[in-house]
Amino acid sequence: NTVMTQSPTSMFTSVGDRVTMSCKASQNVGINVGWYQQKTGQSPKRLIYWASNRDTGVPDRFTGSGSGTDFTLTISNMQAEDPAIYYCLQHNSYPFTFGSGTKLEIK
Amino acid sequence: QVQLQQSGAELVKPGSSVKMSCKASGYTFTSYYIYWIKQRPGQGLEWIGRIGPGSGDTNYNEKFKGKATFTVDKSSSTAYMQLSSLTPEDTAVYYCARSAMGIGYWGQGVMVTVSS
Repeated sequence: NTVMTQSPTSMFTSVGDRVTMSCKASQNVGINVGWYQQKTGQSPKRLIYWASNRDTGVPDRFTGSGSGTDFTLTISNMQAEDPAIYYCLQHNSYPFTFGSGTKLEIK
Repeated sequence: QVQLQQSGAELVKPGSSVKMSCKASGYTFTSYYIYWIKQRPGQGLEWIGRIGPGSGDTNYNEKFKGKATFTVDKSSSTAYMQLSSLTPEDTAVYYCARSAMGIGYWGQGVMVTVSS
């Protein structure tokens, strides 16, 4: 199975900061990676598909990049509504696998 | 718009089974895979497997073979997942989701609590 390793596990940030989180795949997954935001008590919401494509309605401060084994989600200007757990997902091969998540909090 | 409406919360006893539903609307049900995902309290996301509603073909995460069974009712655009031989480790929120360049649309989740 493809292991998706996310880092950091958690981070504190301030409104207006630039935030970067990482997801590394144990084998080549191409661009078959999505990024999801999950707020407390809610279903996950996809932000990015195919590694770098923003879903409809997602603010342009969210940017995904990478291919192969290394992927990054960047929030360019942290907002008060962005604290959440962020997960990456590989859908290149079965079983699909998620990273363990990065918990993003406001200082 | 695409919607996935899941059934309500369940409280079940150890050793029993539970069957939950996921009613799809806003698109052609048979054209997209339905995925099932598990999230234990305070934990991450785990892919259980998928079903193709048009063909009925399935793919299960090895970890959930024998635990989960997927079915569909095309007449009502509803997907089902049955979980058997429940233990406290099956206590979790279970999501259905639809394919769209990976996993695109999610239901609201079903909380299953296994307790005597």
